[in-house]
Amino acid sequence: DAGVIQSPRHEVTEMGQEVTLRCKLISGHNSLFWYRQTMMRGLELLIYFNNNVPIDDSGMPEDRFSAKMPNASFSTLKIQPSEPRDSAVYFCASRGAGGLVNEQFFGPGTRLTVL
Amino acid sequence: AQSVTQLDSHVSVSEGTPVLLRCNYSSSYSPSLFWYVQHPNKGLQLLLKYTSAATLVKGINGFEAEFKKSETSFHLTKPSAHMSDAAEYFCVVSVDSSASKIIFGSGTRLSIRP
Repeated sequence: DAGVIQSPRHEVTEMGQEVTLRCKLISGHNSLFWYRQTMMRGLELLIYFNNNVPIDDSGMPEDRFSAKMPNASFSTLKIQPSEPRDSAVYFCASRGAGGLVNEQFFGPGTRLTVL
Repeated sequence: AQSVTQLDSHVSVSEGTPVLLRCNYSSSYSPSLFWYVQHPNKGLQLLLKYTSAATLVKGINGFEAEFKKSETSFHLTKPSAHMSDAAEYFCVVSVDSSASKIIFGSGTRLSIRP
């Protein structure tokens, strides 16, 4: 199994540009989580989906951020327009169903730098 | 409300000596607890999880953790540190009974001295 796949691994963009981060879940998993990691705030949950449906988006910073899950295995996180304070590492995690308590499996992350 | 506190932001030990990373939690019910490790510029990897079965949980790479309800603690230990253990360690608590949503501690950076 390839694990959770994220792309790109690194993104450098200028303020005001649109940024799209991508995530492919582990085959058979049905929950998808987007996190942001910064030195100041640590790891924060932005949004999570269960069976393609957004369950909790209370961590999404503002309307500039949006996330979609167009099918059971793929998700995007879009920032438009981007700002320097969005610079962070963005992680995607997937989780399977069927067990009593299942852990989340994390991707390698996308390091975003907004100039 | 659920919360998790990692008591040390940085721990430094000599290679071959024991490791203790401390974690306290707050929860209104019996939570699920996890320890994750993050090596530099890498993603997060699960070390171990507690899900209300045995209170002493064994994980990968020789790590283990003990759930102590009376102390609301879930400290991570390893008998003998190895250079490859140098990383950031996160204690994690579930927000709900199925651990659909989890909260991360602030992390403890573990350094290993030769």
